[in-house]
Amino acid sequence: KAGVTQTPRYLIKTRGQQVTLSCSPISGHRSVSWYQQTPGQGLQFLFEYFSETQRNKGNFPGRFSGRQFSNSRSEMNVSTLELGDSALYLCASSSGTSGHNEQFFGPGTRLTVL
Amino acid sequence: AQSVTQPDIHITVSEGASLELRCNYSYGATPYLFWYVQSPGQGLQLLLKYFSGDTLVQGIKGFEAEFKRSQSSFNLRKPSVHWSDAAEYFCAVGPGGYNKLIFGAGTRLAVHP
Repeated sequence: KAGVTQTPRYLIKTRGQQVTLSCSPISGHRSVSWYQQTPGQGLQFLFEYFSETQRNKGNFPGRFSGRQFSNSRSEMNVSTLELGDSALYLCASSSGTSGHNEQFFGPGTRLTVL
Repeated sequence: AQSVTQPDIHITVSEGASLELRCNYSYGATPYLFWYVQSPGQGLQLLLKYFSGDTLVQGIKGFEAEFKRSQSSFNLRKPSVHWSDAAEYFCAVGPGGYNKLIFGAGTRLAVHP
């Protein structure tokens, strides 16, 4: 079974631009969560989607948004990029939403904002 | 507020030595607790998890962890470390009912041959 895939793996943008990251969950998984990983703040939860609905959101500004499609693939968007948005963005998929189910992480998208 | 503390940023051990990585959590109810490992350039891989029941849980790659409610701790142990265990280890707590995880800052493990 293929794992979680994230595209692109690396991205370079300039301040003020916007970016869209994509995540394809493991087949059959309907829950997708996004995390931001930075050296200063560590791993922080961005949001979780299940059946195309956002179930939970972390403490991030409105510039960070996401969506999920009917095939469970998810995208996250960051508008008006700032230098501090440089990070590794990780996506995780799970078969359930109770917190009991293992979350499988993708390799991440490394975003650099210049 | 929920939080996770990993007091050790870096740990270096010799191959074959035992290992204990510390994790303390703050959470109002019985937490769901996890340990993940991240190798360079990789995503996170689940080592083990605790929800309830036996407080000593076994995971993959020979790791185990013990939940101690009185100390709010969930320390990760391995009796004999291999060079391939060098990686960053994250403890996490999750509220029941959601897939949201709150991570500690991580402990970077180096293994000397």
